[in-house]
Formats: sequence, structure tokens, C-alpha cells
Amino acid sequence: AQSVSQHNHHVILSEAASLELGCNYSYGGTVNLFWYVQYPGQHLQLLLKYFSGDPLVKGIKGFEAEFIKSKFSFNLRKPSVQWSDTAEYFCAVYNTNAGKSTFGDGTTLTVKP
Amino acid sequence: DSGVTQTPKHLITATGQRVTLRCSPRSGDLSVYWYQQSLDQGLQFLIQYYNGEERAKGNILERFSAQQFPDLHSELNLSSLELGDSALYFCASSASPPGEQYFGPGTRLTVT
Repeated sequence: AQSVSQHNHHVILSEAASLELGCNYSYGGTVNLFWYVQYPGQHLQLLLKYFSGDPLVKGIKGFEAEFIKSKFSFNLRKPSVQWSDTAEYFCAVYNTNAGKSTFGDGTTLTVKP
Repeated sequence: DSGVTQTPKHLITATGQRVTLRCSPRSGDLSVYWYQQSLDQGLQFLIQYYNGEERAKGNILERFSAQQFPDLHSELNLSSLELGDSALYFCASSASPPGEQYFGPGTRLTVT
């Protein structure tokens, strides 16, 4: 069965620190990949997405993610985090054959001012 | 604003009762997803509908059911409610493919 693993459950950083959140998935076929963000008290919003082409994708608010097919990974990065990045981050994989999405358990990011 | 609407915003009810949550997807989206989010369980996928047909099932209890109507809006029915059903219930919609989901603002259910 398709699964998505987010290795870090809770990450605490100081402002201006660099961020990398891990995401690995298990499905070997064609996938579309997503990162969503949920700010406190809000619903999930799309941060960035990968369908094909350049494996390094840029999203909103300075976030980027790199798709490494050989490692089944889609890690999220940001060079310098801000207090306003405090949120929960979800990685999701869409299986294009089955038409099915799977979300990871989420990583809570706390940025200390 | 994602274009996905959910009603009601808040719902407070007693154990043993039944409630219906409603979701209207973005214009043109055929897929609707339901999720439950609680502090101890995180974001749990419940069920997906595509153009009126059930497409995928997740961790949905037998006391819960859903349907998608011809106008593509969806309803999630929760019955014999228990305290543990208190949670945020999100609906999302997508055009399929590519699977990018747009989430509604959620319904906060409190069971007392």
C-alpha cells in the first residue's frame, strides 16, 4: 500500500535558521508530489507541487522542494525561516494510476523569535 | 479563499446524536475528500468521492457515512456520536488528475 513518511514530528528552530523537512514515499509508479501548510487555526493550503520536469520546485514564501526519484524523497527546504513560518507541514503523494492521494502525518515547525 | 465551502462552521451536540456536515467543492472539481483532524490522531483521511461515486476509503468508522450528490456537493453523516468524535472535519476538492487538493475552512464538531 502507498505510504508517506515524514521523519520529523516536531522541529524547533530560531529565526534565520535553515529548514529541511524530510518526506519519503513508498509507491514506485508515477506520482505527483505536494507540500501543504496549515497555519495555527487555519485550513491546509498548498505550498508547492511537483508534477514533472525540473526536480527542484519553488513554492510560495521562499520554500522549495527537491524531488529525488531514486530516493523516493521530496524534502522541503527554506534557507532562512521566519517566526511566521510556525505551522504544521504535510507532505502528500498522488498516485496518478490509482487516482489516490496519501498524506504524511505532518511535521510541526516552531520558529522562535 | 480556496473556493471550497463548508457548513456549518461550528457544531456542538450531545453524545448519541447524529449530525450532517456539508461541503461544496470548487467549481468544476469532481473529486471531494473528507478528513478528520484531532490533536491525538492528526489528519486522517476518511473518504473520497469522484463524480458521485465512492473512490477511496480511509479510516472511516461504520457510524460515519458520506455521499456526493449530482450537483457535486457532498455530505458527511456522523451518527451515534461519541466524545472522541470531537474534531475538525475538513473537506477538500480536486480536479483529477493532478491531485492537488483545495481545502475548505472546516467544521469544528464538539460532542459533549
